[in-house]
Amino acid sequence: EPEVTQTPSHQVTQMGQEVILRCVPISNHLYFYWYRQILGQKVEFLVSFYNNEISEKSEIFDDQFSVERPDGSNFTLKIRSTKLEDSAMYFCASHVWGADLPGYTFGSGTRLTVV
Amino acid sequence: QKEVEQDPGPLSVPEGAIVSLNCTYSNSAFQYFMWYRQYSRKGPELLMYTYSSGNKEDGRFTAQVDKSSKYISLFIRDSQPSDSATYLCAMRALGQNFVFGPGTRLSVLP
Repeated sequence: EPEVTQTPSHQVTQMGQEVILRCVPISNHLYFYWYRQILGQKVEFLVSFYNNEISEKSEIFDDQFSVERPDGSNFTLKIRSTKLEDSAMYFCASHVWGADLPGYTFGSGTRLTVV
Repeated sequence: QKEVEQDPGPLSVPEGAIVSLNCTYSNSAFQYFMWYRQYSRKGPELLMYTYSSGNKEDGRFTAQVDKSSKYISLFIRDSQPSDSATYLCAMRALGQNFVFGPGTRLSVLP
């Protein structure tokens, strides 16, 4: 069964450093998403991406965050200058087409720990 | 009022029990309702999907949506220890992104 693949599974970084989280969505999917889940809290929407541009972003997705689809297969989330409160699980998700199809396929996540 | 509310649990049941998991919501525009299962340190996995009101059954799982009451349920029959996980409801309006509930942690004891 097709999967959304995320790397690394766990990343530890120092506060103020830049991190790039990588995702390989399912190959025929066209809509891509990043979600965040702080330990013990709910899954929160960060950003959606379609046709090489951001289609929607939440209040969490401030100027420190950026997304890119650099080569047609990878989908990356960059945090420019990490803060302690950025520590969370980051999930990538993808969707085949159309806003009305059932749920997204999620990756297994990257656990980001900012120290 | 939070947009999607869900009892966080933990909910502990014996193996074989019927489990009822519920979410309430406030946005009457929600039309698409999902249940995800999330094992520890894993991404959410889609279990059930329903559109608008009604019931949907898939094996041991039944999803119900009551839009008039803004209430959705997931029933698990003959629960197994492997069902132990956090169950997330998620819902959205047409053309909008999903809003997740906080999740209910379920433990099925052998």
